[in-house]
Formats: sequence, structure tokens, C-alpha cells
Amino acid sequence: AQSVSQHNHHVILSEAASLELGCNYSYGGTVNLFWYVQYPGQHLQLLLKYFSGDPLVKGIKGFEAEFIKSKFSFNLRKPSVQWSDTAEYFCAVLSGSARQLTFGSGTQLTVLP
Amino acid sequence: EAGVAQSPRYKIIEKRQSVAFWCNPISGHATLYWYQQILGQGPKLLIQFQNNGVVDDSQLPKDRFSAERLKGVDSTLKIQPAKLEDSAVYLCASSHAPTSGLYNEQFFGPGTRLTVL
Repeated sequence: AQSVSQHNHHVILSEAASLELGCNYSYGGTVNLFWYVQYPGQHLQLLLKYFSGDPLVKGIKGFEAEFIKSKFSFNLRKPSVQWSDTAEYFCAVLSGSARQLTFGSGTQLTVLP
Repeated sequence: EAGVAQSPRYKIIEKRQSVAFWCNPISGHATLYWYQQILGQGPKLLIQFQNNGVVDDSQLPKDRFSAERLKGVDSTLKIQPAKLEDSAVYLCASSHAPTSGLYNEQFFGPGTRLTVL
């Protein structure tokens, strides 16, 4: 069965710092990859997704992620975070056979003003 | 458009009691999902419906959990009897039906936070 690892449980940054959140998955076949975000008091929502093509994908609010197949990774990045980026971020994998989303355990990002 | 609606938002019960959660998906979404999110973990799929049929319930603890979507629209998830380890947020999500194996974005509701004492 596929699994998703997010090694950073809680990240604290100051505004304008750069962000990189790690995500590794364990599935050797074709995968579709996602980052979801949950802002305080809000619903879980899609930040960006990778299906095929350019391994560098851009999402909303200046976020991007790079799919590196050889490393089974899909790290999330943002060059300059804002206080409003404080949220919990989940990486998820949709594997080809199960067509189910498998989520990582999440990373809580706190951005200090 | 209106999002996925869930009720109640919070529920506190004692172990061995029963509880039910309700979900109304986005209009026109044929696929409905129930997830369990335990504190410190990511959401875990419990059951997936396509219209009123079950697509996958392999991770649903069927000895105590049940779910139905009788008319292919709203859905109810029930736990009977509840255990302490059922304390979690129960998320409902919906999406359009998959087309030729393509993925359709899942839209999540606000969740129901269940505390079992």
C-alpha cells in the first residue's frame, strides 16, 4: 500500500523567509500528487497538484512544488512566506490502482509577523 | 456555489453511546467520501460512494461504523457503539464522478469534531 511521509511536523518561520516542506511517498507506479492546505478555522482545500508533464507545478498564493521521481519526492516551496500562510499543509498521493487519496500526517506552519 | 455541508460541527459522547453525522455534498457531485482525521494525522478514507452505491469501504470498521447514501445525495455516517479511539474529526468530501479514470478534485466540508469520553 502507498504511504506518504511528511518529516516536518511543525515549522516556524518569520515573514519573508523561504519555505520548503518535504513530502516523500512510497509507490513505484504512476502517481498523482497533491498539496492541500487548511487555514485556521477553514476547510481543507487544494493548493496544487501534479498529474504529468512539467515536474515543477505552480499553485495558488505563490506556492510551487517539484516532483522528483527518482527521489519519490514532491516538496512544497514558497520563496517568501507571509503571516497569512500560517496553516496546516498536507501532502497526498493518488495511486493508479486504488484511485484513493492517501494523506501524509501534515506539517503545521507558523509564520511570525 | 454552496460548499459541502456537515452537521453537527461538534459532538461529545460517552463511550458505548452511538452517534451520527450528516453530510450534504455540492450539488451535482456524484461521488461522496467520508474521512477520519485523528489528531496529529492526515485524513484517512473510510468509505467512498458513487451515487448511492459503495465504491470502497475497505477501511471502514464495519463492526461499529456504518454509512448510507440512500438517494444518492446526502449521506449519514454512524458509529455504534463508540470507543475512545473514535475521537477524531470526521470529514466529508465530494467530487464529480470520475471520467475515464481521470481524477476530479475533492471538495471538503468543515468536518465534525467527535470527542468520546
